[in-house]
Amino acid sequence: AQKVTQAQTEISVVEKEDVTLDCVYETRDTTYYLFWYKQPPSGELVFLIRRNSFDEQNEISGRYSWNFQKSTSSFNFTITASQVVDSAVYFCALEPLIQGAQKLVFGQGTRLTINP
Amino acid sequence: DTGVSQDPRHKITKRGQNVTFRCDPISEHNRLYWYRQTLGQGPEFLTYFQNEAQLEKSRLLSDRFSAERPKGSFSTLEIQRTEQGDSAMYLCASNLPPGQGMWVEAFFGQGTRLTVV
Repeated sequence: AQKVTQAQTEISVVEKEDVTLDCVYETRDTTYYLFWYKQPPSGELVFLIRRNSFDEQNEISGRYSWNFQKSTSSFNFTITASQVVDSAVYFCALEPLIQGAQKLVFGQGTRLTINP
Repeated sequence: DTGVSQDPRHKITKRGQNVTFRCDPISEHNRLYWYRQTLGQGPEFLTYFQNEAQLEKSRLLSDRFSAERPKGSFSTLEIQRTEQGDSAMYLCASNLPPGQGMWVEAFFGQGTRLTVV
């Protein structure tokens, strides 16, 4: 069975602080994709990143960075110098097989609040 | 095209009534997905279509749920004899199948929030 766990239900920080959102996953598949999505109050899910299970290189995109560690089945997301606009619910997700159809298994989400 | 469109945005219905939601995907996207998201949880996959064919249904999709995509464009999700446990956000997403080494992420709509009273 596939499972994604985001143990942090809510995080609140002051603007400009760095914050890391944790994600731990379980799968028996050797090939899979991992994702992060952002869900602002408007409701739609906004794609942030996709990582395949063969690529453990960390990735940085502006203030966002991702740390994928297969040995610990973790795919953590760090926001550097957080801003109020980063406030949202963030979801980590797993696509069990590279099967083409984006059938995702989501974690419970972490509600991030950035206070001015 | 401004993205995936869902209608209505909000629906309140009495227990036992039938409801139908509509999703209009991005026009060139031939894959369409339905997810359900209950309060405080992540979305859960319900079903997906490629063109008009419904290729997979989750166990979450009970007999009271039916989804269609008759012409391979918009899709409808109907819930018959609604129950309070059906209260959730129903999200629709669309994308293209991967081709020529290219991958296209799924774009999500803003969802239809159903409240069953």
